[in-house]
Amino acid sequence: ILNVEQSPQSLHVQEGDSTNFTCSFPSSNFYALHWYRWETAKSPEALFVMTLNGDEKKKGRISATLNTKEGYSYLYIKGSQPEDSATYLCAFPPPYSGAGSYQLTFGKGTKLSVIP
Amino acid sequence: GAVVSQHPSRVICKSGTSVKIECRSLDFQATTMFWYRQFPKQSLMLMATSNEGSKATYEQGVEKDKFLINHASLTLSTLTVTSAHPEDSSFYICSAQTAGLADTQYFGPGTRLTVL
Repeated sequence: ILNVEQSPQSLHVQEGDSTNFTCSFPSSNFYALHWYRWETAKSPEALFVMTLNGDEKKKGRISATLNTKEGYSYLYIKGSQPEDSATYLCAFPPPYSGAGSYQLTFGKGTKLSVIP
Repeated sequence: GAVVSQHPSRVICKSGTSVKIECRSLDFQATTMFWYRQFPKQSLMLMATSNEGSKATYEQGVEKDKFLINHASLTLSTLTVTSAHPEDSSFYICSAQTAGLADTQYFGPGTRLTVL
């Protein structure tokens, strides 16, 4: 059973503050790490797919880094805005064993609330 | 692009009835669709994986006779909760994926099922 841990579970920040949170995953047989943003009453939205150790990806004020050797990824939000309020999920696939689909194991998420 | 719809968004039913949930990929062909369930304060838990035209693969502990999955086309998968009981009350969400190793899963908005 793969164990994907996210911390903190929830986070309240003031508008304008920068913040970050962590996703920890098994470092052996790494293939990819996914970050999703899930706003209330909406579909989870894909943010990043990260595959290489040392990867850094950016989308607007949100960026993510990846360390596959130690098994963690950080998600950073610079200058948080109320619209950033959401649950941020990371997900990790099992060792790839063939062509076609693969399942994702999700963490419980970090719920971010940005206070205006 | 990559929009997935799910219907209904919310359903309340009596114990013993069956409920069908539809998941559609609106602007792409989904080689694989996934069905997840989420209990309060828990992570998304994969229930089953379905490929178009073949039988679904169920995760351990998920009863295939209770949760019937049909993936009749590349844009539609259905989950039928048969003889629903109050313990089946949960949030059900589907995702769709195109072929590839690190391809993103695109999620529907989910269905809140309440069984009285």
